Amino acid sequence: EPEVTQTPSHQVTQMGQEVILRCVPISNHLYFYWYRQILGQKVEFLVSFYNNEISEKSEIFDDQFSVERPDGSNFTLKIRSTKLEDSAMYFCVIGGVAYEQYFGPGTRLTVT
Amino acid sequence: GQQVMQIPQYQHVQEGEDFTTYCNSSTTLSNIQWYKQRPGGHPVFLIQLVKSGEVKKQKRLTFQFGEAKKNSSLHITATQTTDVGTYFCAGPDGPGGYNKLIFGAGTRLAVHP
Repeated sequence: EPEVTQTPSHQVTQMGQEVILRCVPISNHLYFYWYRQILGQKVEFLVSFYNNEISEKSEIFDDQFSVERPDGSNFTLKIRSTKLEDSAMYFCVIGGVAYEQYFGPGTRLTVT
Repeated sequence: GQQVMQIPQYQHVQEGEDFTTYCNSSTTLSNIQWYKQRPGGHPVFLIQLVKSGEVKKQKRLTFQFGEAKKNSSLHITATQTTDVGTYFCAGPDGPGGYNKLIFGAGTRLAVHP
């Protein structure tokens, strides 16, 4: 199973603040995704990223969200102005060779 | 849009009993994937089924993909406390490949020793 790491493991922020969630290190993968899971609920797709471009995004992924792969290895999700409803686990996911998806350990985002 | 439904939402079993979770899609799927999430953990890929009617086994776990490729099931024989967690099915939203996955709501399994 490919290894996916995420930092931080837990982020607490105040409403309206910007947060950056990081997925490190990533190498030799082409497909990346961000999913989120509100406590006790299902896993929801946010965005997919291929060849340094967004390939698909969900309705959740509005103008407050952005993704980057700034240095060819790290993969980041930025939320510009957090809302209370953004509180969730955010998972960085990579696509496997047979289209399966491998989840990172997640970042728990708490917006107060 | 495509929907993936899972039942039951929650199941208690005594250790040693069998367990089954069922998954239904509103559309025909190119494949179905199953994930397990331990409490406090992240979803872990278990298996992918691709062919109509396919059955795959992993030790005490048996996965089945329906003939119409719209439903699937996961059966665990003689549950153990290590089986505790939430089991999710997921199908690609599109013809497959690296499409996003649509997840079911999951079945949370509790095993009493």
